[in-house]
Amino acid sequence: DAGITQSPRHKVTETGTPVTLRCHQTENHRYMYWYRQDPGHGLRLIHYSYGVKDTDKGEVSDGYSVSRSKTEDFLLTLESATSSQTSVYFCAISESLGQNYGYTFGSGTRLTVV
Amino acid sequence: GQQVMQIPQYQHVQEGEDFTTYCNSSTTLSNIQWYKQRPGGHPVFLIQLVKSGEVKKQKRLTFQFGEAKKNSSLHITATQTTDVGTYFCAGRGGGYQKVTFGTGTKLQVIP
Repeated sequence: DAGITQSPRHKVTETGTPVTLRCHQTENHRYMYWYRQDPGHGLRLIHYSYGVKDTDKGEVSDGYSVSRSKTEDFLLTLESATSSQTSVYFCAISESLGQNYGYTFGSGTRLTVV
Repeated sequence: GQQVMQIPQYQHVQEGEDFTTYCNSSTTLSNIQWYKQRPGGHPVFLIQLVKSGEVKKQKRLTFQFGEAKKNSSLHITATQTTDVGTYFCAGRGGGYQKVTFGTGTKLQVIP
């Protein structure tokens, strides 16, 4: 969707190396999310942000950290990549946590840890 | 914590047949959203239901929210090959809780 981009689109990395994925939005939305998608598990929330420098953990946050120094950018870092972190990572944005807003997703980053 | 289950996990239908996917939550929801993800793509927001017993239609798609606000369904009439993809429900608990996504139903339409 227009207004949200993820980079890189594909990455292969070695076990033990740090990896950073970037999500950039031009919609000025307050809320940003990182999800991972794996077969049989649907979309699972890793971390989310409700404002600049305001972040919180999701259901599968172990091994991941995030940062949001600007409204438009939300970074996801794998401190020391493991094979279990091979997945497709989606960033999403929303205007509000309130009742009436769906999420807009980025195109995803396919990460392979070898 | 809140759990959202979807059934079936997979569904193959002949083109022209109807299709239904069901979503069930372990807790009462304030609203439920539905998303479609085409193969190789990203989830795209379809609709949100808020009221108990609410029914909404989008062309051949009919969405329902249960009376107890713990379940929902998506029904597609006369499927087409363009309906292929994975359909996710996402339920939100009360207040400002985050949404919890269901595991998805993958639809394959046989021409």
